[in-house]
Amino acid sequence: EAQVTQNPRYLITVTGKKLTVTCSQNMNHEYMSWYRQDPGLGLRQIYYSMNVEVTDKGDVPEGYKVSRKEKRNFPLILESPSPNQTSLYFCASSSGGGWSNQPQHFGDGTRLSIL
Amino acid sequence: ILNVEQSPQSLHVQEGDSTNFTCSFPSSNFYALHWYRWETAKSPEALFVMTLNGDEKKKGRISATLNTKEGYSYLYIKGSQPEDSATYLCASYGGSQGNLIFGKGTKLSVKP
Repeated sequence: EAQVTQNPRYLITVTGKKLTVTCSQNMNHEYMSWYRQDPGLGLRQIYYSMNVEVTDKGDVPEGYKVSRKEKRNFPLILESPSPNQTSLYFCASSSGGGWSNQPQHFGDGTRLSIL
Repeated sequence: ILNVEQSPQSLHVQEGDSTNFTCSFPSSNFYALHWYRWETAKSPEALFVMTLNGDEKKKGRISATLNTKEGYSYLYIKGSQPEDSATYLCASYGGSQGNLIFGKGTKLSVKP
């Protein structure tokens, strides 16, 4: 089954404790992206990757890192999480490169709470 | 940052009503317009991706039109059903390849 898998689904942690949210897709998609969803603000793009070893900042990259060493994986790293990073996070992937006319496939989301 | 606006913010209709909502985006440097349906406690699901001015796409009772010259897209739902209740998101690309900007969505509630 074609899917985007995020882990963990839920996480409660404390300020400053490094964490990684994994994202994996099995559709051989070139493009992958991370979003955060906050009430009243909608989905905002954090980082995206056009292909292996190619990553770029979205609209809200501060406090996050990403890597794309393999085509299927695109982990989101919070080196020193802070309470303002408490949010619902989505990973997505699509075929084609930038400005693609292909739809994005979303993972199930990761709810992060940082105390 | 490119601004993608959606209106109305929320909409309450009765079962059987037809409804429509709007997505506005800057018309310059247009590449593609995405529509997604997002049910509570689930993840967004793609409805349409539209690229050509005047394009019209349809999936069952849902259809969408695109005007790239004036920078807007309409989403129509004919004969709304309770299962259509969801938030409908549109998105367009920003200045950089891969930078997809979402609107804040229109939340539709359909009463039986």
